[in-house]
Amino acid sequence: GQQVMQIPQYQHVQEGEDFTTYCNSSTTLSNIQWYKQRPGGHPVFLIQLVKSGEVKKQKRLTFQFGEAKKNSSLHITATQTTDVGTYFCVGGGSNYKLTFGKGTLLTVNP
Amino acid sequence: EAGVVQSPRYKIIEKKQPVAFWCNPISGHNTLYWYLQNLGQGPELLIRYENEEAVDDSQLPKDRFSAERLKGVDSTLKIQPAELGDSAVYLCASSPGLRVRTDTQYFGPGTRLTVL
Repeated sequence: GQQVMQIPQYQHVQEGEDFTTYCNSSTTLSNIQWYKQRPGGHPVFLIQLVKSGEVKKQKRLTFQFGEAKKNSSLHITATQTTDVGTYFCVGGGSNYKLTFGKGTLLTVNP
Repeated sequence: EAGVVQSPRYKIIEKKQPVAFWCNPISGHNTLYWYLQNLGQGPELLIRYENEEAVDDSQLPKDRFSAERLKGVDSTLKIQPAELGDSAVYLCASSPGLRVRTDTQYFGPGTRLTVL
């Protein structure tokens, strides 16, 4: 079945450093979504990528969808303490299957 | 606009007891999801509804778990009997259902279940 791998599992950075999390799917995806979950909270939608090679930006966050639509990345420039949380990618399969990655827990040292 | 509502927020039961969770999705959302999330893990889909029809329940442990969405609005998820390994957060999410492959999911706050 469809599997979505996400690395790294944990990332600790100093405030102001950059951060990147990577997502790889075992199958070609129809789309990929990214969610953020604050400690003790629930996942909140960040963005969705649909097109091959698509790049989207939200302020300090840059999201990419690979040309083969099997991988994606989220890059945060100059992290802030408000960026703390777990970032999940969710792969949308051709059979409407939605598969969460295991997430990357980001902690930021002020 | 009200978000996804779940109750209870917390539940502590002894093993072998039954438990039920309730979810009210965002008004007008046709698609409803139940997820299980263990600590430090990503949510795992248990069941997905399109209106009142369960279109994906392949990951639902049907020997002890059941779910229903009778009128295509709110939904209940039941476990009977609960086991120690069922301790987790149970998340409900909804989406408009207009573009099934690309819909954004809106999550509720979850129910944290502890089985003793």
